[in-house]
Amino acid sequence: GNSVTQMEGPVTLSEEAFLTINCTYTATGYPSLFWYVQYPGEGLQLLLKATKADDKGSNKGFEATYRKETTSFHLEKGSVQVSDSAVYFCALSYRGGSNYKLTFGKGTLLTVNP
Amino acid sequence: DVKVTQSSRYLVKRTGEKVFLECVQDMDHENMFWYRQDPGLGLRLIYFSYDVKMKEKGDIPEGYSVSREKKERFSLILESASTNQTSMYLCASSPWGSDTQYFGPGTRLTVL
Repeated sequence: GNSVTQMEGPVTLSEEAFLTINCTYTATGYPSLFWYVQYPGEGLQLLLKATKADDKGSNKGFEATYRKETTSFHLEKGSVQVSDSAVYFCALSYRGGSNYKLTFGKGTLLTVNP
Repeated sequence: DVKVTQSSRYLVKRTGEKVFLECVQDMDHENMFWYRQDPGLGLRLIYFSYDVKMKEKGDIPEGYSVSREKKERFSLILESASTNQTSMYLCASSPWGSDTQYFGPGTRLTVL
């Protein structure tokens, strides 16, 4: 079956530190891969997406590269800000019948201190 | 911008009550989803719908039902709320054939 494993948090960093949140997946076929972010008290927002091997998704200074050989999609940012404090979810899409569904990791809480 | 709204941000109910959670999207999306979010468990799919009056069970449908009478509206129903249904409930929608979902702000339900 499909599954997503992401590093357990919480992760606590100082402002301007480098961020990596690891994500690996198990899937049949060739899923799209996603990172969603949930700011305190809000729903999930799509952060970035990659649809095929070696694609790099990027948004707001965050990047992740679809690595088929290591089945990974690690999230990185070179210099985090306090406003990046949130829960980050890695997810993959799979086709269920005629439409797509998502499988999510358990989420990683990031806290950035000034 | 896609907008998905949920009827309540916070809800407190008593054990045994019938609970309705409403979700509305304004982008004419065919697909709508209900998830629950619990610490350490991530998001789990309860039910989804790919058309009006159509529904399919997700991974954890027990204790829940859904209704989709209009394309823009998808309701989650707890027939007899129990304390183990205390959770954050998230609604999402997506266009037909797309794998990108758009989420509402969530409803934090507490069952006492």
